[in-house]
Amino acid sequence: AQSVTQPDIHITVSEGASLELRCNYSYGATPYLFWYVQSPGQGLQLLLKYFSGDTLVQGIKGFEAEFKRSQSSFNLRKPSVHWSDAAEYFCAVGVYSGGGADGLTFGKGTHLIIQP
Amino acid sequence: DAGVTQSPTHLIKTRGQQVTLRCSPKSGHDTVSWYQQALGQGPQFIFQYYEEEERQRGNFPDRFSGHQFPNYSSELNVNALLLGDSALYLCASSSTGDRDASGANVLTFGAGSRLTVL
Repeated sequence: AQSVTQPDIHITVSEGASLELRCNYSYGATPYLFWYVQSPGQGLQLLLKYFSGDTLVQGIKGFEAEFKRSQSSFNLRKPSVHWSDAAEYFCAVGVYSGGGADGLTFGKGTHLIIQP
Repeated sequence: DAGVTQSPTHLIKTRGQQVTLRCSPKSGHDTVSWYQQALGQGPQFIFQYYEEEERQRGNFPDRFSGHQFPNYSSELNVNALLLGDSALYLCASSSTGDRDASGANVLTFGAGSRLTVL
């Protein structure tokens, strides 16, 4: 079974500084990888996804992520954070089971705090 | 274009009771998945419904059951509630027609139903 590890429970970044959130997955083959963001009281919003092809993927709100097969990682980056980026960030892995089903496995999340 | 809508947004139950949560998928979507998100945790996959049948199930007991209707909407039922069932229940929808060549798909999530069990 696949698993996802987000090593950082909390991260504090100054507004305007760069950001990197770590994600490591465990799965025998190449999974589908996602980053979602959740603001308080809200559902999950997709930031970006990796299915195949170019390992550097661009998402919404200026985020990008790089898939590194050798490190089983899919870290999320942003060059300059804004106060509105404060939220909970989840990395998730999906596996297409052929029958069409694809329940996602999520990490426990990283809480991002932006300080002025 | 309405996204995924869930009801109710909040509810309180007592141990042993039963609860039904409802979900209307995004327009054009035919597949519905349910996730449980306990406080401070990531969402956990409960099950997925397609063509009115449960297609995949996560590691949840039989107390958790679901249904999908011909209009693609879905219900999640939880029987014999336990304190540990207190969580945010998220519904997500997707369209089989949107799968890419490798079969991968993207889920659209609703805002969730917050269940508190006392």
